[in-house]
Formats: sequence, C-alpha cells, structure tokens
Amino acid sequence: DTEVTQTPKHLVMGMTNKKSLKCEQHMGHRAMYWYKQKAKKPPELMFVYSYEKLSINESVPSRFSPECPNSSLLNLHLHALQPEDSALYLCASSQGWGGLTEAFFGQGTRLTVV
Amino acid sequence: AQTVTQSQPEMSVQEAETVTLSCTYDTSENNYYLFWYKQPPSRQMILVIRQEAYKQQNATENRFSVNFQKAAKSFSLKISDSQLGDTAMYFCAFMTVSQGGSEKLVFGKGTKLTVNP
Repeated sequence: DTEVTQTPKHLVMGMTNKKSLKCEQHMGHRAMYWYKQKAKKPPELMFVYSYEKLSINESVPSRFSPECPNSSLLNLHLHALQPEDSALYLCASSQGWGGLTEAFFGQGTRLTVV
Repeated sequence: AQTVTQSQPEMSVQEAETVTLSCTYDTSENNYYLFWYKQPPSRQMILVIRQEAYKQQNATENRFSVNFQKAAKSFSLKISDSQLGDTAMYFCAFMTVSQGGSEKLVFGKGTKLTVNP
C-alpha cells in the first residue's frame, strides 16, 4: 500500500467556522508533511512532523494548527481562516529515518474560504 | 537555505519528440536527494524520477532520464518519445535533513509542459 489518503477532497468553510483536514498513511513512514498550493504555484511547505513530533513550522499563522495523533494520522485544524487561505492542501509522507527517500503525496483537499 | 530554480515556466513539444526541462539548485549540504515530480490537472503529485546525490550514475526510468551535474548543481530531466499523457506541471524538488533531524522537501516553481499531437 503506497497510498496517502486525504479527506475531505473538497471543503467550503466560512471565516468563522472550525474544520479539520485529515491525512492517513499505512506505509510505516515516520515523517509527515502539510503543504499549501495556490493555483499555478509550487507547493509551499507548512509543517513537518517527525516521529509524531512537530519538527518544522514554516512560520505558519496560528489559525492553522497541526496535530499528529499517531504515526499514521496527520490532522490540520482550521479556525478563523481568511479568503486568501483558499488553496489546495497537500499531505505527504516519507520514510523519516534520515534515509532521504521519496515523499508520497495524497490527492489534496481543495479548500475554499468564503 | 536550499533553493531550487526552474528557469522555464512553460514548454511545449510535439508528440514522439524529446524535451529537456532544466533545474538548478543551491545547497551547502553533501547528502541530499533530488526528484522530479509530475502534477497533471488531476492534481495528484506523482514521482517521475529520483537521484541520490552520492551516486554519479544518472537515474533512468523508461522514457525519463536525468542529467545530474553535482559540481554545477544542475539536475535536468529528459523526456524521450513524448506522449500526450506527459502533459502536466513538472516540479524539481530537493530533499535534505534539517538541523532538527527531520527530512525537508522543497520545490522549484515548476515548468508547465504541453505535448502537442
């Protein structure tokens, strides 16, 4: 199984809503990532979890709150978002043993903030 | 900090012909990995090919091959016998291990490739 599964595929939320994005992998990977991708732009790294601990936060606003409940799951909690936060949110995972292997990506969640 | 530069925002090629996409990177690390990812309109990010920095031999995957010039920090992708299904955004990406010990993957701006019939 080389899949990274993201839910939901599409999400529309108001600026006062609280929602969560979910990501799951069963490849035994210990590094998991959240990326934000605007249209016609490259993915921008937001967070990296390594062995279930937050290891990289690329100065992301606090309205985005990541969580790694266990080694297979990664959540991104959203609260008080702005319309400019509308984007494709990609989750990825990689081996995470310092072995520098490929990252596998989910299909993403298309988020629209209204 | 690591940076990845793709100097060709858009390229086009005729079906069955060969095209080369350019990528340069900047790093002070010795141990790293380079990738080309493909993102079609379906938005799924798909690995095309990978190259370990310590390997001198250029990676090849069927119609896809790279020209890895470590001293020049260059990592170009050659697509032979282009097919309509190759139409996609192509991202060059760089992975290293951060100071905290976790892996970090950064992308270039991408090259939009169109294969024409």
